[in-house]
Amino acid sequence: DTGVSQDPRHKITKRGQNVTFRCDPISEHNRLYWYRQTLGQGPEFLTYFQNEAQLEKSRLLSDRFSAERPKGSFSTLEIQRTEQGDSAMYLCATGPGQYQETQYFGPGTRLLVL
Amino acid sequence: QKEVEQDPGPLSVPEGAIVSLNCTYSNSAFQYFMWYRQYSRKGPELLMYTYSSGNKEDGRFTAQVDKSSKYISLFIRDSQPSDSATYLCATNTGGFKTIFGAGTRLFVKA
Repeated sequence: DTGVSQDPRHKITKRGQNVTFRCDPISEHNRLYWYRQTLGQGPEFLTYFQNEAQLEKSRLLSDRFSAERPKGSFSTLEIQRTEQGDSAMYLCATGPGQYQETQYFGPGTRLLVL
Repeated sequence: QKEVEQDPGPLSVPEGAIVSLNCTYSNSAFQYFMWYRQYSRKGPELLMYTYSSGNKEDGRFTAQVDKSSKYISLFIRDSQPSDSATYLCATNTGGFKTIFGAGTRLFVKA
């Protein structure tokens, strides 16, 4: 257990519904990342926060996806109008300071869109 | 062409064997190189990271980077059944985006 928690751990939803995931970082970790991982693939970068500022977004993050990190603490990732192709594991990672090579991952939220 | 290529395996070895896991990458701007271990249905766990070329050792694990050939390796000595997992290489230019390989599944047989 790295100390990064994610909620829920599993989510089953119907196509077209909205879902929201939460990530609670290790205390005082100012860097926070969201990744998506599908079966047989490595994590794909979605977005990065430094404190409360969203500094980078992947082209993978379509306009149906939005992420927030109010007050630089926990973060939420929302997917609107879910599609079957959104089925994946959504991973949150956090890190201290400015060193991008150290990231501590949470257990992930596994999403299944029916 | 993917920026980071990794053989998905699976790789099956007997307990006690030396394991060699490898990745190649295409972007010469990558400076940081990481290895993560991921057990089934868990998040990745950082094993080691190196900066630029050279070797780094931590217990039974040795990470090696050869920037001239854009090749990174992880060696596991005296492999144990508990080492059975997916191993992900990852790299970063120093910016915010980390690129992961697809992972190699390793099975260590008792």
